[in-house]
Amino acid sequence: QGLLVQSGAEVKKPGASVSVSCQASGYSFSTYYMHWVRQAPGQGLEWMGMINPSGGSATSAPMFQDRLTVTRDTSTSTVSMELSSLRSDDTAVYYCARATPGTSAFDIWGQGTKVTVSS
Amino acid sequence: VLTQSPGTLSVSPGQRATLSCRASQTVNSNLAWYQQKPGQAPRLLIYAASTRATGVPARFSGSGSGTEFTLTISSLQSEDFAVYYCQQYNYWPSFTFGPGTKVDIK
Repeated sequence: QGLLVQSGAEVKKPGASVSVSCQASGYSFSTYYMHWVRQAPGQGLEWMGMINPSGGSATSAPMFQDRLTVTRDTSTSTVSMELSSLRSDDTAVYYCARATPGTSAFDIWGQGTKVTVSS
Repeated sequence: VLTQSPGTLSVSPGQRATLSCRASQTVNSNLAWYQQKPGQAPRLLIYAASTRATGVPARFSGSGSGTEFTLTISSLQSEDFAVYYCQQYNYWPSFTFGPGTKVDIK
């Protein structure tokens, strides 16, 4: 079925960058697109970007275009996202999620990584 | 843009719950529903508007196409009290979520 395990919580200062990793297991890593979604405290879900693990091409939502980098390492079945120029409103739980082929619904989610941005 | 209604739905256990998701323009049948409980990641319930994901109980059903969608929980169980989100994936690579409907105990 598959499992996504994310890296641990981070505390960062405004202006810094944060990197969150997501290691996949139990399925063919290169077959499924991987997405990043975040959730600010008490708020809804916000799609950030995605990557095709097969070729490595990545796409970001317009609001993250200049700050988000999504990469993958096929040797470790790991997808990573780096968000730069952090602000206090980037404080959120960040999730990776696998997309089902043919539908793009997100069928498997990581456990979430809490990122706190505070001076 | 996806709009969900109501914002909060108070339902007694065993009763039926009907949640609505409306799109500002057609998303065809490219719509999913997720359930999220406090402190947990979202869980996929329904994709392609009406197809239950693996392991999802039959009391959950989805319907609709175009701009109007419904998630129905036929007989609410205690474990169903949660927040429910709809998501469109028609306008690839944009994958927007609705604001959510909280289902709580009446």
